Amino acid sequence: SAVISQKPSRDICQRGTSLTIQCQVDSQVTMMFWYRQQPGQSLTLIATANQGSEATYESGFVIDKFPISRPNLTFSTLTVSNMSPEDSSIYLCSVGGQEFGEKLFFGSGTQLSVL
Amino acid sequence: AQSVSQHNHHVILSEAASLELGCNYSYGGTVNLFWYVQYPGQHLQLLLKYFSGDPLVKGIKGFEAEFIKSKFSFNLRKPSVQWSDTAEYFCAVNGGGGFKTIFGAGTRLFVKA
Repeated sequence: SAVISQKPSRDICQRGTSLTIQCQVDSQVTMMFWYRQQPGQSLTLIATANQGSEATYESGFVIDKFPISRPNLTFSTLTVSNMSPEDSSIYLCSVGGQEFGEKLFFGSGTQLSVL
Repeated sequence: AQSVSQHNHHVILSEAASLELGCNYSYGGTVNLFWYVQYPGQHLQLLLKYFSGDPLVKGIKGFEAEFIKSKFSFNLRKPSVQWSDTAEYFCAVNGGGGFKTIFGAGTRLFVKA
């Protein structure tokens, strides 16, 4: 199993600013994932972050808008850049892959509101 | 395209009623199937999973799910719900090998005491 600490837990931000979300895992993991959960919608994968390589982004998400860092095997950050109200959502960090039996473990999420 | 469809967005039941939440998926190749649950104020957590073998899988808290390959379905069931089952339930699928996991839109279950 894995215990994931994510912060901040919530924030209210102004349009045009950026917010960096941190994700800390209690063990070394190969694969980390960033998801977005918009109200009434499913969890949507933003990108997969592997240590030592650039993140792999899903269709509809770009590095300029959602830059990701993965400096080591226990930590990752997601930045939401130049925010607009459409970015208001819950952002979730998770870990998974074969070392976890293909299931995912999630952080508590960051609830972001953009005014 | 890969997708997961959950039939109900909101379900309200009385305690002791039976529960069945529908889930259909579209995914090429071998699939791993999951149900995750998010109780109020808590993290998403795994309820049960199917990789292979017996298509009827049992999870925590008396939940079970049946994989029907011909129908591309993985419905979640519980014979008698409790107030503490109030939560949001997500069906999910991945192809294994670290491939990305795709989620359904979720079903909010409210159980009346």
